Amino acid sequence: QAVVTQEPSLTVSPGGTVTLTCGSSTGAVTSGHYPYWFQQKPGQAPRTLIYDTSNKHSWTPARFSGSLLGGKAALTLSGAQPEDEADYYCLLSYSDARRVFGGGTKLTVL
Amino acid sequence: QVHLQQWGAGLLKPSETLSLSCAVYGGSFSGYYWSWIRQPPGKGLEWIGEINHSGSTNYNPSLKSRVTISVDASKNQFFLKLSSVTAADTAVYYCAREGSGFDVWGQGTMGTVSS
Repeated sequence: QAVVTQEPSLTVSPGGTVTLTCGSSTGAVTSGHYPYWFQQKPGQAPRTLIYDTSNKHSWTPARFSGSLLGGKAALTLSGAQPEDEADYYCLLSYSDARRVFGGGTKLTVL
Repeated sequence: QVHLQQWGAGLLKPSETLSLSCAVYGGSFSGYYWSWIRQPPGKGLEWIGEINHSGSTNYNPSLKSRVTISVDASKNQFFLKLSSVTAADTAVYYCAREGSGFDVWGQGTMGTVSS
């Protein structure tokens, strides 16, 4: 089974920029993995920020963007706000219809 | 506006079967895949599997031998059964719609396995 890897934790200063990444044990992440990014705050269900690599929902703050970077999926937060402190998960889809979540990144805004 | 209401689970003993239901309100049931996702306390998310309105399913290989996802399209509902549960299956279980990403989620239901 594929393993999806994320940074366990990252810290960003208020107003700063940070990039979270999502890698696959099977090789480079491509648009064909349809990367999703989720934000989860304590006690809440996750919510999708980014789908299909870079598409945003109506509720996704403009400061979040998704891309492919160096063989990984990436979520970039530009202009971090205190309310962005949360856990972030990526999800990749594989050719046999499996979906695998990454282990999550705990983002601290400090 | 689409809303998912889920129920079931609760407290189970090892080897029992966890059963969950998820009802879809306020939107189309066909044309989407409907997923189950779980999260053990203090841990990350795990995709369990998905189903569409006609009953086509995909499962997480690590759970496939114990999981059954089914649908009652006439009631806009779908279901999860997880057999032979152990303490490792203790988690919050979510149902979700796969529209543009997982764009609608249920409220989550706790399933606790304890002897």
